[in-house]
Parts: sequence; C-alpha cells; structure tokens
Amino acid sequence: KQEVTQIPAALSVPEGENLVLNCSFTDSAIYNLQWFRQDPGKGLTSLLLIQSSQREQTSGRLNASLDKSSGRSTLYIAASQPGDSATYLCAVLRGAQKLVFGQGTRLTINP
Amino acid sequence: DAGVIQSPRHEVTEMGQEVTLRCKPISGHNSLFWYRQTMMRGLELLIYFNNNVPIDDSGMPEDRFSAKMPNASFSTLKIQPSEPRDSAVYFCASSLAGYGYTFGSGTRLTVV
Repeated sequence: KQEVTQIPAALSVPEGENLVLNCSFTDSAIYNLQWFRQDPGKGLTSLLLIQSSQREQTSGRLNASLDKSSGRSTLYIAASQPGDSATYLCAVLRGAQKLVFGQGTRLTINP
Repeated sequence: DAGVIQSPRHEVTEMGQEVTLRCKPISGHNSLFWYRQTMMRGLELLIYFNNNVPIDDSGMPEDRFSAKMPNASFSTLKIQPSEPRDSAVYFCASSLAGYGYTFGSGTRLTVV
C-alpha cells in the first residue's frame, strides 16, 4: 500500500526566507507526483505536476524536485511572502488513477 | 473552462436525512473522483469513475454511501441515511487519463 508522508506537519518562518517542504512515499513505482495548495476552507489548487520521467518542475518562485529511487520530493519556495501561507499537500499517482495524499504541511509566513 | 463545479457549497442536515452532493467535471476529462477530507484522516478517495463507469469504490465507507455518473458531465454522491460522523468536506476532482487532477471547491457537510 502506497503511503505518503510530509514533514514537517507545520512550519512558521519570517517573510523573505527560502524554505523547503518535504514529501516521501513508500512505493517508487509512481506515474507522477503533484503538489497542491489548500487555503483554509477552500479547495485544492494544483501547483506543480512532475511526471515520473522528470526530475523537477518550476513555476515562478516554486520549484519541485522528484527522486523516485529514494521515494522523495521537495517543494522549494523562494523569497516567501505572507500570501504563501496555506497548507501544502503532496500526492502521488501510482496506478489505477488513485491519487494518494500526504497529510500536508501547514505553512505560516510571518510579516 | 469554469473548472470542476460542486454543489451545494454547504449543507446542514439532520441525522437520518438523505444528502445528495453534485459534481460537474471539466469538459473532456474522462475520470472523476470523490474524496472526503477530515481533520483526523486527511483526504480519502471514496470512489472513482473512468468514462462514466465506476472503477473502484473500495473507499466508500459503507452501504449508506452511493455514487452515480449518468453521463460525462454529471455525478452525484448520495448518503442515506446520514449520520453525524459523515460530517466532512467532500471534494470532487476530474482528470484526463491521470495527467493532473483538478479539484472542485468542495461541499462542507454538517450532519446534526
């Protein structure tokens, strides 16, 4: 059974810092990995999608990497801003189109 | 595209009542998913459809839950009878052959 773990569960940093969120998964036979953002009381917004053949994806201040062999992905946020405060969720697609989610990292950026 | 559309946004109902949640996927997407989110268990996949056919309903908690997809543009998740432990946020998502999922805004269900 595929399990996805996100560390840390919560993170609070001052504005302007660069930060890294971690995601690990137990089964390396994945099709892709997707990072989402969820604001309180809202739905999930897709941030980055990394196919299994890719090593990383970038969008603006966000960079996500994927290392299938070690079962790890990281989401790097550069020059953090208060508007980045949200819960970040990592999800892996292994087979049969089942997207399995981690529990998320709750990020707070302090002005 | 308006994205995945769910209704209602909020639902408050009394225990024992029937609840129906609705979802309109993105046009052209061939897979539809129903998830439930709670603080304790996070996001759980309840059921998913491929080309309108239910493929895996192993996540449906019990027989009180049922889901249908009569056509490519509409799906329902029904709970009958509802119980307080069903209170959660229910999300619908769609994708095209697993290439990236798009989620709706969710339905916050409260059963009192």
